[in-house]
Amino acid sequence: GNSVTQMEGPVTLSEEAFLTINCTYTATGYPSLFWYVQYPGEGLQLLLKATKADDKGSNKGFEATYRKETTSFHLEKGSVQVSDSAVYFCAYRNDYKLSFGAGTTVTVRA
Amino acid sequence: SAVISQKPSRDICQRGTSLTIQCQVDSQVTMMFWYRQQPGQSLTLIATANQGSEATYESGFVIDKFPISRPNLTFSTLTVSNMSPEDSSIYLCSVDLRDLGETQYFGPGTRLLVL
Repeated sequence: GNSVTQMEGPVTLSEEAFLTINCTYTATGYPSLFWYVQYPGEGLQLLLKATKADDKGSNKGFEATYRKETTSFHLEKGSVQVSDSAVYFCAYRNDYKLSFGAGTTVTVRA
Repeated sequence: SAVISQKPSRDICQRGTSLTIQCQVDSQVTMMFWYRQQPGQSLTLIATANQGSEATYESGFVIDKFPISRPNLTFSTLTVSNMSPEDSSIYLCSVDLRDLGETQYFGPGTRLLVL
């Protein structure tokens, strides 16, 4: 069935390090793909999205490219900050329903 | 985007009681959703609530346990009934804004602890 698998954490980085969180999906057709972020004690916020193959979503220095050939939507940021410490969720949309990955906890140390 | 508020933001409840969570949106939306996020876990869809019809529940969730109301296009409630400690979770509502690229926006969540 349809599913999304993302890299398990936790991930601990130093400030200005490069961050990659892998996400792959299994779905029929070409679903829209999303990254959501949950900062400590807060709700879920949309970080970026891509709705078709080869689309690149970007926001706050984060990027992710919709790769149809590898069914992936990996999240990257070239230089993380302490304020990027959060839980990151990959998700895909099948019709109107969102299915989420398990979440990856990222901690950035000064 | 949409501005979504939830009440209460958190609560501590005794087992066997019920809690009703409110979700208010600043614009009219057709589809609203309720999710549960158990401690340290991902989000699981409980049900979809469309105005003017009964909510549609996902596998593992039933109306008797999680009754939902959707009286108009800007408001919904989720009740967690006959609570047990296993119901301790964050409950989030979200709305679907198809006219803005099929994106769901989430409320801040209600943090529930059942003792």
